[in-house]
Amino acid sequence: DVKVTQSSRYLVKRTGEKVFLECVQDMDHENMFWYRQDPGLGLRLIYFSYDVKMKEKGDIPEGYSVSREKKERFSLILESASTNQTSMYLCASSSPDRMNTEAFFGQGTRLTVV
Amino acid sequence: AQKITQTQPGMFVQEKEAVTLDCTYDTSDPSYGLFWYKQPSSGEMIFLIYQGSYDQQNATEGRYSLNFQKARKSANLVISASQLGDSAMYFCAMSPSNTGKLIFGQGTTLQVKP
Repeated sequence: DVKVTQSSRYLVKRTGEKVFLECVQDMDHENMFWYRQDPGLGLRLIYFSYDVKMKEKGDIPEGYSVSREKKERFSLILESASTNQTSMYLCASSSPDRMNTEAFFGQGTRLTVV
Repeated sequence: AQKITQTQPGMFVQEKEAVTLDCTYDTSDPSYGLFWYKQPSSGEMIFLIYQGSYDQQNATEGRYSLNFQKARKSANLVISASQLGDSAMYFCAMSPSNTGKLIFGQGTTLQVKP
């Protein structure tokens, strides 16, 4: 069974903390994505990567960075968490050979910054 | 600007009836893909159906069909014979130039009444 696994379902962090959200996929996909989901806004792309060590900004990269040292792992980093980063974070992966098929999503991490 | 619009924040449907969820999109790319995802209350994103911009036929997957009207830039999801388990949030999404990146609409919450 194909899988995208996010390290935590729920996280509570303090303002100013450095936060790491981890995502691992077992499908040997080149493409990996981080989205943020907020009510009324749908999902918005934060960062994505088409290959190891490669990263590109999405639509809302401010306040975030990413790391992709291994093909299967894509980490989202909040350098200094703020309350406006309280949200649901979803990781996804897909194959570049199959752009016309679905991206596979993790179960999401609900982050609360207090 | 590339955009997905879902104008129905919430909808109700009686069990066993059909329901149409609206989606319009905006892109100047000639090649793109359109997707529908279901998100139950548990949070995972479940892929439902895909339509390519060059596909001549409307996509169907079991009880799901995508009513693709290219000239009107609409990609409505039709769910036939609704079931209680169809109660969820539904997202329309577009992948411009088949990049793998997804642009999401705001989502529609569907509630199926027994």
